[in-house]
Amino acid sequence: QLKLQESGPGLVKPSETLSLTCTVSGGSISSSTYYWGWIRQPPGKGLEWIGSVYYSGSTYHNPSLKSRVTISVDTSKNQFSLRLSSVTAADTAVYYCARHLRISAPVDPWGQGTLVTVSS
Amino acid sequence: QSVLTQPPSVSGAPGQRVTISCTGSSSNIGAHYDVHWYQQLPGTAPKLLIYANGNRPSGVPDRFSGSKSGTSASLAISGLQAEDEADYYCQSYDSGLSASVFGGGTKLTVL
Repeated sequence: QLKLQESGPGLVKPSETLSLTCTVSGGSISSSTYYWGWIRQPPGKGLEWIGSVYYSGSTYHNPSLKSRVTISVDTSKNQFSLRLSSVTAADTAVYYCARHLRISAPVDPWGQGTLVTVSS
Repeated sequence: QSVLTQPPSVSGAPGQRVTISCTGSSSNIGAHYDVHWYQQLPGTAPKLLIYANGNRPSGVPDRFSGSKSGTSASLAISGLQAEDEADYYCQSYDSGLSASVFGGGTKLTVL
C-alpha cells in the first residue's frame, strides 16, 4: 500500500524559504505513470494545488505561486520536495503531498499533512 | 475566490438525501474536464470519494454518487448518516490557468 509522509520545519520566519520533503513508501517514485504533487490548506480554509513533479523532473505549478515555488524529485531516496520562497503569514497552512496520474486526475493517496506556521 | 463555486454549507437529517453543487465555467468543467470529489473529516487529510464525475473508488459506499452536466457537477449523498458530517471539495482542471483547481468546500451538517 502506497504511503506518503511529509517532513520539515513547522515554523518558518517571514521572508525566509519554506522547505518540505515527502517520503514515498510502498511504491517507486520513478514510475512513469504518476505525478507527485503538493497541496495546501490554510487554517479553516479550502484546498489549493501548489504544483506537481514528474519522475523525470518536469514540473507544473499553480500560476499564482509559480515564481516562488520549486519542486524537485530525488529518485535515489524515493522522495520529492517543495521549496516556497519569500513566505508571509498568508503561507501558513497544512501542506499535503500526494500522487496523481496527471494534473487533471484525482489526487490519491494523500499524506497526512504537516502544519507550517509563518511567524517571527 | 475559488474557480469552482460550492455552497458553504448544507444540512440534512439522518436518512435524508442531500446534494452539493460545484459550478465552474467553460475553461474547466464546461471544457469536458473530469470532476472529482473529496471528503475531509475533521483533523484528517482529504479522501477521494468520487473520481471522473461519477465513479466510486473501492470501499466508498454506494450512498455517494456524482454527476456532471454542462459547467456544473453535483455530489449526492443518500441515506445520510452521522459519520457523513464532514467538509466536501470538488476538483477539476482549468485550461485557462493550466492548473488543477478546487472548489471552496462545503460543510455538511447532519442534524
